[in-house]
Amino acid sequence: AQRVTQPEKLLSVFKGAPVELKCNYSYSGSPELFWYVQYSRQRLQLLLRHISRESIKGFTADLNKGETSFHLKKPFAQEEDSAMYYCALTSGGGQNFVFGPGTRLSVLP
Amino acid sequence: KAGVTQTPRYLIKTRGQQVTLSCSPISGHRSVSWYQQTPGQGLQFLFEYFSETQRNKGNFPGRFSGRQFSNSRSEMNVSTLELGDSALYLCASRMGVGNTEAFFGQGTRLTVV
Repeated sequence: AQRVTQPEKLLSVFKGAPVELKCNYSYSGSPELFWYVQYSRQRLQLLLRHISRESIKGFTADLNKGETSFHLKKPFAQEEDSAMYYCALTSGGGQNFVFGPGTRLSVLP
Repeated sequence: KAGVTQTPRYLIKTRGQQVTLSCSPISGHRSVSWYQQTPGQGLQFLFEYFSETQRNKGNFPGRFSGRQFSNSRSEMNVSTLELGDSALYLCASRMGVGNTEAFFGQGTRLTVV
C-alpha cells in the first residue's frame, strides 16, 4: 500500500539555521514525489516536485529511492518559511495524491 | 487566470442533514479531486472526476458522493451527516489525467453540530 510518513509534527529552528523536513514513503512502483506548503490562511500550494529537480524559495529535495526518502532542505531558514509542509506521492498517470501527516515548521527570530 | 473556487467557504449543519459543496476548477482543467482534511487523519482522498466520470475513489462510506458537470465544475454531497464529518474539504484541479500538477482551492470548512 502507498504510504507517506513525516516523523516530525513540529520543527522549530532559528532564522538563518539550516532546516530539513523529513519524508519517507512506501510504494512498490515508481512514484512521483511532491512537497506542498500551506501558509497561514492560504491555500495548499505546490512547492516542489521531484521530476522538476528545481529549487523553489531556496528549498531543494532529492528523491532517494534506496532509502525511499524525499527530504526537504533549505540551508538558511527565513521567518516567512513558517508554514505547514506536506509530503505527497502519486503513482503517476494522474492518480490521486497520498499525503503525509504534515510538519509544522516554525522559524524563530 | 482565476484559481480553484470552492463555495461556500463555511458551513454549519446538524447531524442527519445532508450537504452539497461546490468546486469550480481552473479554466481548461478537466480533472477535479476532493480531499478531506482533519487534524486527526490529515489529508485523505475522497474521489476524482474527469470528463464527468468518476475515475478513482478513496475509502469513504457511500454517504459521500460526487459528480462533475460538462463545464468541469464538480459537487460533492454528504448525506446523513455525522459529527465526524466535520472537516475542511479541499478540491484540487488538474489539466488532465496524465498531468500530476494539482492546484487546490481554499476549501469549505464544514462543521456538523
